[in-house]
Amino acid sequence: EVHLVASGGGLVQPGRSLRLSCSASGFTFGDWAVSWVRQAPGRGLEWVSSIRSEGYGGTTEYAASVKDRFTISRDDSKSIAYLQMSSLKPEDTAVYYCARRDCNNIFCAALDPWGQGTPVIVSS
Amino acid sequence: EIVMTQSPATLSVSPGERATLSCRASQSVGSNLAWYQQKPGQAPRLLIYSGSARASGVPDRFSGSGSGTEFTLTISSLQSGDFAVYYCQQHNDWPETFGPGTKVDIK
Repeated sequence: EVHLVASGGGLVQPGRSLRLSCSASGFTFGDWAVSWVRQAPGRGLEWVSSIRSEGYGGTTEYAASVKDRFTISRDDSKSIAYLQMSSLKPEDTAVYYCARRDCNNIFCAALDPWGQGTPVIVSS
Repeated sequence: EIVMTQSPATLSVSPGERATLSCRASQSVGSNLAWYQQKPGQAPRLLIYSGSARASGVPDRFSGSGSGTEFTLTISSLQSGDFAVYYCQQHNDWPETFGPGTKVDIK
C-alpha cells in the first residue's frame, strides 16, 4: 500500500527554522515527484512546493509566498522528502501535507495520495 | 497566477439527492484540473483527475466534466460519507492553485 507520513511540525518562534519530513513506503520513491501543500486553520488549501524525480533533474518549484525562505529536497536512498523552512512568519502557521505525484519536465499530474499532515505553529 | 473560483460556497443537500459543484478558472487550464474531497480532520483525497477521470477506488456516483475554464463535479446520489468539503485544483501552470472549496452539508 502506498503510504506517506509527514512529520517534524511543532511550535516555533517567528524568524526561526524548522524542517519537515515526508516518509514514503509502498512504492519506488525515486520514480515519483513530491509536493507540499498547506492549510491554515479554518482555511483552504495552498500549494507550497514540488520536487521532481531525479529522472527529471530533481528540479523544484515554489509558491511566491515561500520562495527564498523554504527549500524542498529529497533523499531517495531513505525514501524521504524534506521541506526546510526558515525565517518563519506567523502566516506560515498551517497543517502541512505531503503528497505524491507524477511530473515531467513541464508539468505535474494530480496529487495522490496525501500524507496525514503535520501542524506548524509560528508564534512567540 | 490562475485564480480558481468555486460555487456555491455551501451546498445543502438531502441524502440520495444529486449535487452539482462548479469550478471556474481565470484562464484556460486545458484538462489539467483535479477534484479533492476533504473530511474534517483528514487529509484531502483525490477524486477526479484530468477533469473527468475517476481516481482509483472512487465510486461511480462521482463524475467530473469540463475543460478550459469551466468544470463541474457531480455526485449523483449523496451518501452520508459524501458530506465534506470539495476543492478543485489546476495543475496546468505554476503556481498551482486551488479553489476556495465547496462545503456539502446535510439539508
